[in-house]
Order: sequence, then structure tokens, then C-alpha cells
Amino acid sequence: EIVLTQSPATLSLSPGERATLSCRASQSVSTYLAWYQQKPGQAPRLLIYDASHRAPGIPARFSGSGSGTDFSLIISSLEPEDFAMYFCQQGSDWPPNTFGQGTRLEIK
Amino acid sequence: EVQLVQSGAEVKKPGESLEISCKGSRSTFSTYWIGWVRQVPGKGLDWMGIIYPGDSDTKYSPSFQGHVTISADKSINTAYLQWKSLKTSDTAIYYCARRIFRHAFDIWGQGTLVTVSS
Repeated sequence: EIVLTQSPATLSLSPGERATLSCRASQSVSTYLAWYQQKPGQAPRLLIYDASHRAPGIPARFSGSGSGTDFSLIISSLEPEDFAMYFCQQGSDWPPNTFGQGTRLEIK
Repeated sequence: EVQLVQSGAEVKKPGESLEISCKGSRSTFSTYWIGWVRQVPGKGLDWMGIIYPGDSDTKYSPSFQGHVTISADKSINTAYLQWKSLKTSDTAIYYCARRIFRHAFDIWGQGTLVTVSS
């Protein structure tokens, strides 16, 4: 089973700043990597699939990069609504398609 | 609008059985895999298993194999998650979701809160 490790656990930034979230896989997942945003009381929302492709309706300030074992989600300029939990998920080896433990993006 | 609609919250006792549901459109259930994800409140996401309603091909995470059953009725565009004997540790929110390219989940149900308490 592939383990995904997200870092940092918590990221404290201010609106307008750039956020870089990391996801590292225990073995190569090629580009089979997705990112999700989750706000309290809501279901997760797909942001990025196939490592770098934005899902429909996702703002351009969200971008994904990486392949193999190291991936990043970048939010170029934080908006107030971006403060939430973020999870990565691998789709390479299954079952299961494991999730990372999450990064909490909080307002500084 | 494509959506998945889940059944309502449940409160059960340990040892009881339960089935929750996830209903979508005909196009979704004839073309896509539907997965189930657990989230203990305040915690992360756990991939439980997935089914292809077209032929009921089902895959389980080893962590959930034998404890839950995933099924689907494509005639009514509904997937199910079933327990025969609940434990207090099953208390969580359960989401169904549609799987797309590279195994990402693009459409999620609203979640079903299952509370198991004596």
C-alpha cells in the first residue's frame, strides 16, 4: 500500500501570500495524483487531477506539479475562502487509492 | 447538474446492521466507478472500496474487506454501503464519490453521518 505524506501539517499564511503544499509518495505514482480541498461541514472538492490538471471551475490560482514521488499544490495568491484542509490522493496502486493525512491551511 | 445524493444520518447500537445509499444519474451509474470514503470527524480521508455498477465489479481496501459490503443496483442508479455488525469505531461520515481519470473523485455526495453508540 502506497503511503502519502503531506507537509507541513499546518501552514499559517496571510491572504495574498503564496502557499506551497507538499505530498510525497512512498513509491512512484507517476502522475496519478489528485488534490482536494475540504471546508468544515462540506464534502471534499476536487482541485487537481493527474498531478497538474485543474478540475472544471477551479480558479487559475491553484496549480499542481510533480511526478514520481514528489508533488506540490501551489496557491499563487491566497483568497480568504482558500483557508481549509487539503488532501492528496494517489491513483496508481489500488486498492486502495490512498489519501495523505492532510494539510491545514490557516490564516496567520 | 451531476450530483450524488446520499441517505440521511443514522444512529445505531453496536452489533446492529445498517445500509446507507448513494443515488445518482443513469449516465453516472452506467459509465463510472463509484467509491466510498470514510472520514472520522476531525480526521483524514480513508478509501474504503469501489464498485462499477455496470457489472458490479467491486474492489475493497484490505482495511475494510470483510467488515463492509459495497453493492449497487444500476436499475435505480443507486450504490450501497452495508454493515452486518456495527462497532463504535464505525462512527464517521461516509461519502460516496464518482471516479474519473487517473482514479480521482470528481463528484462527491453530501456525506452520511453514522453514529454507533450504546
